[in-house]
Amino acid sequence: EAQVTQNPRYLITVTGKKLTVTCSQNMNHEYMSWYRQDPGLGLRQIYYSMNVEVTDKGDVPEGYKVSRKEKRNFPLILESPSPNQTSLYFCASRRTGHSNTEAFFGQGTRLTVV
Amino acid sequence: TQLLEQSPQFLSIQEGENLTVYCNSSSVFSSLQWYRQEPGEGPVLLVTVVTGGEVKKLKRLTFQFGDARKDSSLHITAAQPGDTGLYLCASVSGSNYKLTFGKGTLLTVNP
Repeated sequence: EAQVTQNPRYLITVTGKKLTVTCSQNMNHEYMSWYRQDPGLGLRQIYYSMNVEVTDKGDVPEGYKVSRKEKRNFPLILESPSPNQTSLYFCASRRTGHSNTEAFFGQGTRLTVV
Repeated sequence: TQLLEQSPQFLSIQEGENLTVYCNSSSVFSSLQWYRQEPGEGPVLLVTVVTGGEVKKLKRLTFQFGDARKDSSLHITAAQPGDTGLYLCASVSGSNYKLTFGKGTLLTVNP
């Protein structure tokens, strides 16, 4: 079954404690991205990767890091989380090549930073 | 980055009613996608429209792409509680294949 798997689904942490949210896809997609979803602001792209070892900033990259060492994995790293990073996070993957490929999303990670 | 404006932001209706939600931009879309997001889940693709004037149907859902490819609409006939969710339009722009989303229409269909 084609899927994007995120872990964990829920996470409560304290300010400053480094954390990683994992994302894995089994569709051999080149393109992967991270979004955060906040009430009234919609889905905003944090970082994206067009292929292995190729990553770039999205619209709201401050406070986040990513890596793409393998095609299937795209972890999101918060080196020093702050309360304003409390949000619902989604990982997504797509084929590239033309503009109307379907984006597949993980089930989301609800992060609370206290 | 292409800005997508969706309206209305919220919509609460009774089962059996019809409704239309809209997605507009000041720029021309190369293509437009509609996603539905149910509570606690990630968005799932409903349809992609590519050609100006295109109409696509998915059971009780009808999607229309404007002739000038700057707007799109989603019409639901005889809404059911299972249609409840956040409806998002999205478009790809730029050489980096960035997928930009509108803020969505939150639909609640009451039994």
